[in-house]
Amino acid sequence: GAGVSQSPSNKVTEKGKDVELRCDPISGHTALYWYRQSLGQGLEFLIYFQGNSAPDKSGLPSDRFSAERTGGSVSTLTIQRTQQEDSAVYLCASSPDPNTGELFFGEGSRLTVL
Amino acid sequence: QKEVEQNSGPLSVPEGAIASLNCTYSDRGSQSFFWYRQYSGKSPELIMSIYSNGDKEDGRFTAQLNKASQYVSLLIRDSQPSDSATYLCAVNKSGNTGKLIFGQGTTLQVKP
Repeated sequence: GAGVSQSPSNKVTEKGKDVELRCDPISGHTALYWYRQSLGQGLEFLIYFQGNSAPDKSGLPSDRFSAERTGGSVSTLTIQRTQQEDSAVYLCASSPDPNTGELFFGEGSRLTVL
Repeated sequence: QKEVEQNSGPLSVPEGAIASLNCTYSDRGSQSFFWYRQYSGKSPELIMSIYSNGDKEDGRFTAQLNKASQYVSLLIRDSQPSDSATYLCAVNKSGNTGKLIFGQGTTLQVKP
């Protein structure tokens, strides 16, 4: 009965480098979400997957951001050519049924771009 | 206009009082509404969901929904210091039931 697992928990990188953030959802959860939370702010929707497909990518801030999900399980969020404004906590959540609105969140990946 | 709006606070109430947290949303077709609680340094957790106009009670928590006014609220009775947290309102976009949009959250401080 493990929860949503995210890695790395902390990542410090230099401006211009690429980073990959990983999310391992709760087993059997078909829906997977990525949100971003800047200091003192709410959750900014990035993308959500139903199975392996992404019905809504509208929240991705720019073409430097991409995400994929394989095998209906693990998801990777990739940020290319990182900028300082990308610094935030990236939260992944999964849900057994997106209609319920019940999301189970991981502990997040804190990204700091120097 | 933000899709989901909340007063960021902080809202400060004495222990034992009723805390009232408010949220408005812009998508008139939204059908599902949720309140999440986020303790400092932790991830959000779902505490209430509401789908129909009126009140829904769960222990010390009551969610209220008024679709005509596009307004959702959360009442916390007998507030405790352990209720001190940020409360996030979330709304499912109409026509896209998987997309959950969050407000910026209201920070609640319950003082002993």
